[in-house]
Amino acid sequence: IAGITQAPTSQILAAGRRMTLRCTQDMRHNAMYWYRQDLGLGLRLIHYSNTAGTTGKGEVPDGYSVSRANTDDFPLTLASAVPSQTSVYFCASSDSPSGSYNEQFFGPGTRLTVL
Amino acid sequence: GQNIDQPTEMTATEGAIVQINCTYQTSGFNGLFWYQQHAGEAPTFLSYNVLDGLEEKGRFSSFLSRSKGYSYLLLKELQMKDSASYLCAVIDSNYQLIWGAGTKLIIKP
Repeated sequence: IAGITQAPTSQILAAGRRMTLRCTQDMRHNAMYWYRQDLGLGLRLIHYSNTAGTTGKGEVPDGYSVSRANTDDFPLTLASAVPSQTSVYFCASSDSPSGSYNEQFFGPGTRLTVL
Repeated sequence: GQNIDQPTEMTATEGAIVQINCTYQTSGFNGLFWYQQHAGEAPTFLSYNVLDGLEEKGRFSSFLSRSKGYSYLLLKELQMKDSASYLCAVIDSNYQLIWGAGTKLIIKP
């Protein structure tokens, strides 16, 4: 693995189904993020994790949950998908010690369609 | 509320210079990023400004004026591969990253 990977690349999902988007990084970054990107709205933060074992809510957390059991993995779960969750989802990571902020590195994205 | 404004779309000619502006109103300021995003791809880091002034990196430069809440990205000697969206993002006082909607840059031959 080089950098940050996401799976699946794309997915079509029936409304009401449960779905987990996977994200793995091999850069040993402490901070990880999940964004959704919709046309004309830019990137919106869903959830974040500043370090393994901790998570926080972003701008649009409703309908999503995350976990951070270790440094490398940060899965995003949609408990019961709805059509408004149709979007492109990006996972990102950064090496950001407390009180500072470094650039974020992005995964290739997951294109999710909920019908 | 917090707000970042960028033009939605700009058009420029190959070989020319283009300036993409970003104005922001945020609760505090701890730095500003510019990212490039080609269609269907992930954003990639271009520049970071935390002090006033111009940061130059090859054909790309980024300028910041904290007193005016203003930044611009300057692209010189435009190439067709520069066709992409350019995202401005500001770190607020809580170290949260606030993203603009991005500027789609179209390069014509």
